[in-house]
Amino acid sequence: RKEVEQDPGPFNVPEGATVAFNCTYSNSASQSFFWYRQDCRKEPKLLMSVYSSGNEDGRFTAQLNRASQYISLLIRDSKLSDSATYLCVVTPNSGNTPLVFGKGTRLSVIA
Amino acid sequence: DVKVTQSSRYLVKRTGEKVFLECVQDMDHENMFWYRQDPGLGLRLIYFSYDVKMKEKGDIPEGYSVSREKKERFSLILESASTNQTSMYLCASSLGRPNTGELFFGEGSRLTVL
Repeated sequence: RKEVEQDPGPFNVPEGATVAFNCTYSNSASQSFFWYRQDCRKEPKLLMSVYSSGNEDGRFTAQLNRASQYISLLIRDSKLSDSATYLCVVTPNSGNTPLVFGKGTRLSVIA
Repeated sequence: DVKVTQSSRYLVKRTGEKVFLECVQDMDHENMFWYRQDPGLGLRLIYFSYDVKMKEKGDIPEGYSVSREKKERFSLILESASTNQTSMYLCASSLGRPNTGELFFGEGSRLTVL
């Protein structure tokens, strides 16, 4: 089983729609979780961290389900500018091993 | 703001050439990383470093080496470039423990090997 799995998409949604992505991870010992955003031909940038209690930042909500080993990202009232690839990132089991990136989910918001 | 600068945005090299990709960060970060990104394969870790003169292999180190002589600089070296090393190369840095915290990426170096 791959460490981090995401649906590659693309998710094509109209402006104003609500869209949700899930990401599953294989290591039950993982402790830190993040969503990164990568615009076309740009570098990835941190979008938000995912806390056990959930995390909300404006139109974006991230949640963690440890029992089922997945994290989710919900985007409400989608904007054209939300079009990007969203990367799920988790820590592996070892103390100093770097973060593990999913392959990303592509979102296209259509006018 | 943290800035990670990669020396070359676009390079075209020939098979067998030695290639140097330079990365400099200006925020005194301990950790530095080199990834390559290919369509359908996502980001794959080549090498990383937690301190000066220290390096660790990532998931795909074959055909690459690295150098970290100064804290702010992490270089990726392709001793003899091959066509399958055509890719986007991304350098990143972070503060604190390597598996927590925010990674700051450079803009990437797109390498084409002919």
